[in-house]
Amino acid sequence: SQQGEEDPQALSIQEGENATMNCSYKTSINNLQWYRQNSGRGLVHLILIRSNEREKHSGRLRVTLDTSKKSSSLLITASRAADTASYFCATDAYGGSQGNLIFGKGTKLSVKP
Amino acid sequence: DSGVTQTPKHLITATGQRVTLRCSPRSGDLSVYWYQQSLDQGLQFLIQYYNGEERAKGNILERFSAQQFPDLHSELNLSSLELGDSALYFCASSVEGAPVYGYTFGSGTRLTVV
Repeated sequence: SQQGEEDPQALSIQEGENATMNCSYKTSINNLQWYRQNSGRGLVHLILIRSNEREKHSGRLRVTLDTSKKSSSLLITASRAADTASYFCATDAYGGSQGNLIFGKGTKLSVKP
Repeated sequence: DSGVTQTPKHLITATGQRVTLRCSPRSGDLSVYWYQQSLDQGLQFLIQYYNGEERAKGNILERFSAQQFPDLHSELNLSSLELGDSALYFCASSVEGAPVYGYTFGSGTRLTVV
């Protein structure tokens, strides 16, 4: 079963605009991670935010976490055509009692030049 | 190159057959995870090994099995293949047995069952 669910399923923007993707999850977590996947390729780890953190930055990426609402958002600022990819959130299963991540179905981002 | 090596990259086989997918984790990583990605089901966790031992099991069919060898490489065996097994199979690795850090993914094996 899916732990995280991304919203929207698809997002199309122009180069230079900001892109915001949201993720909701169901159970308590130790951390939440975001990954990027270019079409048919392996996933690439972008950023990890721990349950006691509220916001984290990495380059043009900004991630927020609201554990009371069980939600997270990923903001990509000043998007580029190369940001076109699917973005997934992932959480540790059952708050870390198991050693694996559960992924959502992803948001497909298209950045038009 | 992520450091996680998966072979083969592509595999086409007939229904009822058996295949073996191979994964070499990033140097120093002790955990190996297998995921199946299909269009309708998304990324599904199959199984995890940590330092040779099975650590967690997900939605893995009885027709599928895996193991991790002493040199830490892992193999995923898929038998009695069905059309619905066609998917991308990813291997990922991490240092720890729990997801306290990010995973490193391989580029995947695309399995087509005809």
